[in-house]
Amino acid sequence: EVQLVQSGPEVKKPGESLKISCKGSGNSFTNFWIGWVRQMPGKGLEWMGIIYPGDSDTRYSPSFQGQVTISADKSISTAYLQWSSVRASDTAMYYCARPRETGSSHAAFDIWGQGTLVTVSS
Amino acid sequence: DIQMTQSPSSLAASVGDRVTITCRASQSISHYLNWYQQKPGQAPKLLIYDASTLQSGVPSRFSGSGSGTDFILTIYSLQPEDSATYYCQQSHTAPLNFGQGTRLEIK
Repeated sequence: EVQLVQSGPEVKKPGESLKISCKGSGNSFTNFWIGWVRQMPGKGLEWMGIIYPGDSDTRYSPSFQGQVTISADKSISTAYLQWSSVRASDTAMYYCARPRETGSSHAAFDIWGQGTLVTVSS
Repeated sequence: DIQMTQSPSSLAASVGDRVTITCRASQSISHYLNWYQQKPGQAPKLLIYDASTLQSGVPSRFSGSGSGTDFILTIYSLQPEDSATYYCQQSHTAPLNFGQGTRLEIK
């Protein structure tokens, strides 16, 4: 069974850097895109961007371009979401998710990580 | 960007009822529309993709329809475990935006 396992909760102060991870199981990690979705407290889902670990092709939502960096290390089947300087407004649950079709950046997400809660507070 | 608007924002229905949730896209997205269910404290779960295709393992009481800009999620014979928030998502053009969500409560 394919799974995405995300890193644990983070508590950061404003201005600190942060990198969270999403590790895939199984042999097909490099054949699928991996997306990131933000959910602020009590709010809806926001599509942040997506990466193809096979060649690190990355697409960002304009809302998140320049605010975060999405990367991947295919050798360890892991995707990352990072901030150089977090703000209180970055407090949210972050999910990684995998589209249901091989090689498609636009297919529906059928596999989701458990989420990583990021709290930014002074 | 393509904007997705769901209605209603919330609703309450009784067990056995038929429930409909509407999603409208700001421009035509053909059939590239997905529906998710999210329960408190859980990751979203894919219910329907490509407007009307039921994801494997999802009960047949869930049904999707529509094309172009207007889409509907129908839940036939509502069950207690269907209490959740439902989101639509367009998968036509990046960014693949979600609707704002519809909270469904069981009376």
